[in-house]
Amino acid sequence: GAGVSQSPSNKVTEKGKDVELRCDPISGHTALYWYRQSLGQGLEFLIYFQGNSAPDKSGLPSDRFSAERTGGSVSTLTIQRTQQEDSAVYLCASSLTGTSFLNEQFFGPGTRLTVL
Amino acid sequence: KQEVTQIPAALSVPEGENLVLNCSFTDSAIYNLQWFRQDPGKGLTSLLLIQSSQREQTSGRLNASLDKSSGRSTLYIAASQPGDSATYLCAVSPGTYKYIFGTGTRLKVLA
Repeated sequence: GAGVSQSPSNKVTEKGKDVELRCDPISGHTALYWYRQSLGQGLEFLIYFQGNSAPDKSGLPSDRFSAERTGGSVSTLTIQRTQQEDSAVYLCASSLTGTSFLNEQFFGPGTRLTVL
Repeated sequence: KQEVTQIPAALSVPEGENLVLNCSFTDSAIYNLQWFRQDPGKGLTSLLLIQSSQREQTSGRLNASLDKSSGRSTLYIAASQPGDSATYLCAVSPGTYKYIFGTGTRLKVLA
């Protein structure tokens, strides 16, 4: 079946603009995650959705970052007033559930965001 | 705070060699550990998932072991091939969802 998809694959924006990144998880996966991979850094957790709710938003770096998920499926990560330090690859993952230790996560190809 | 370290950061080997990648974590209270590979410009591909109650998992030429008490996992790749060239990441799950990733080992297998 189809894997996790993300769009756009690349996004170049000017400092101060807002951007929206989209994630389509694997069908039937109730848990969805956003991670960020900055140059030279490891992957850092941003937010976790179980269904449409986000029990853990602890990784969002500032209030310029927000995310929503609708219909238990598609998720959008929004970054307002982008800064150069927001430049990174944003990865989305999904798993069958986030409430079991059998939590194999499947990742999308990522969106490479460049803020000029 | 859980910290995950991978050694070496980079590795270059001739084709056919058996090799070991290391992952260590500071807090042994984990639910599971997952190994991934990441190709340039691509997302992560899951290789092996080891539950906390397990000692090892095998898939083809890959074998991953887990020693929770010592905070270590190793990924063994047998008979390496140029197609194995990628960055290998380990990640630990301190709960039922969040993963904490290591910084990866960049592997190059020379033909």
